[in-house]
Amino acid sequence: EVNLVESGGSIVRPGGSLRLSCAASGFMFGDHAMSWVRRAPGKGLEWVSGVNWSGGGSGYADSVKGRFTISRDNAKNSLYLQMNSLRVEDTAFYYCARHVDCSGGGCYSIYGHVDLWGQGTLVTVSP
Amino acid sequence: DIQMTQSPSSLSASVGDRVTITCQASRDIRKYLNWYQQKPGKAPKLLIHDVSNLETGVPSRFSGSGSGTHFTFTITTLHPEDIATYYCQHYDSLPLTFGGGTKVEIK
Repeated sequence: EVNLVESGGSIVRPGGSLRLSCAASGFMFGDHAMSWVRRAPGKGLEWVSGVNWSGGGSGYADSVKGRFTISRDNAKNSLYLQMNSLRVEDTAFYYCARHVDCSGGGCYSIYGHVDLWGQGTLVTVSP
Repeated sequence: DIQMTQSPSSLSASVGDRVTITCQASRDIRKYLNWYQQKPGKAPKLLIHDVSNLETGVPSRFSGSGSGTHFTFTITTLHPEDIATYYCQHYDSLPLTFGGGTKVEIK
């Protein structure tokens, strides 16, 4: 079955750290760019970070730049998000997201539409 | 960064009504625009990619149009199961950004 399963969400104090993981199954993980997208309570979706197929290239939203680090291990079919210096405003459901397969070429961007989402993991930052 | 302005932020319509949502980009994003649906407690779901391409399995009552900076998403006949929040999202460049969302409710 094609699936993404997030884990690692928890309650943490401001200034703390947390590492999220996303386990992929049922598809060629290394053929897809991957992203983390979050939704804070009462707010809309926000792209957090993305990484290319090899893990050698990545991007971040301004709101997390310098605090969060995305990485992947294709041998383990896993995506990670290391979150440091957490703030109250980082409280959200964090979703693992798979971008459409562009491994064959012909795509404008490796960060095309997200065609597979995980169910999300909740991160709560509270004093 | 490209800003995506979506309107309205919420709407109430009757079953069978036509529903239209607009999305304005702060600069030309050509055709690199997607639409997602999110129901309460669920993960987002892709409905339309690259302005007007319906994702496999998505009902044909959903459609999209536009180019450049102005885009439109339409539900031709609102069904009860369409109650959700809808988001536009560009992928012209990083960072990717979403519109603020449109919450669709049944009148």
